[in-house]
Amino acid sequence: AQRVTQPEKLLSVFKGAPVELKCNYSYSGSPELFWYVQYSRQRLQLLLRHISRESIKGFTADLNKGETSFHLKKPFAQEEDSAMYYCALSNAGGTSYGKLTFGQGTILTVHP
Amino acid sequence: EPEVTQTPSHQVTQMGQEVILRCVPISNHLYFYWYRQILGQKVEFLVSFYNNEISEKSEIFDDQFSVERPDGSNFTLKIRSTKLEDSAMYFCASSETMELAGGPLSYNEQFFGPGTRLTVL
Repeated sequence: AQRVTQPEKLLSVFKGAPVELKCNYSYSGSPELFWYVQYSRQRLQLLLRHISRESIKGFTADLNKGETSFHLKKPFAQEEDSAMYYCALSNAGGTSYGKLTFGQGTILTVHP
Repeated sequence: EPEVTQTPSHQVTQMGQEVILRCVPISNHLYFYWYRQILGQKVEFLVSFYNNEISEKSEIFDDQFSVERPDGSNFTLKIRSTKLEDSAMYFCASSETMELAGGPLSYNEQFFGPGTRLTVL
């Protein structure tokens, strides 16, 4: 069974501080990992995915298969980063048609 | 920019009644999904739909649930006889196609609708 764990329900930082949102997963196959974000009163949207290896809005995430982690990092948080962040896992390989398994979500609050 | 739309935004119903939640996926997308989020809990997968049939469903998606793409644009989720525990936010999502980049098949980004809040009294 696939499972995603986000240990922090709430995370508060001050503007300009580094931020790390933790995500651990368990999956025996070949996982594909994503971070989705939901800003206040907006829909869920993709922030980044591990196969893209790109930085979006200053955020990066590295898939660490040894530690089964996919932590989201940003060196200098901005107030507009305040949102709910979800880590999600999908089965790469096509057998589950892209079904996403989500973590519980972390509410990030960036204080001025 | 095209978006997934969902109607209604909020549905209130009595226990035992049938509800139909509607979604219009992005027009060139081929994979369709329903997820739900009970208040305070995680977003959970319900069902995926491709080529006019269910490709995968979760344990939650029992005989009370059904999905349909009746006219080539709408994608509906029907709950036949609602229970109190069906109260949740229901999200529709769609994605384009699979991509094959020299490795395992990878599904394109899922685009989510704004959700329908279902309240069962």
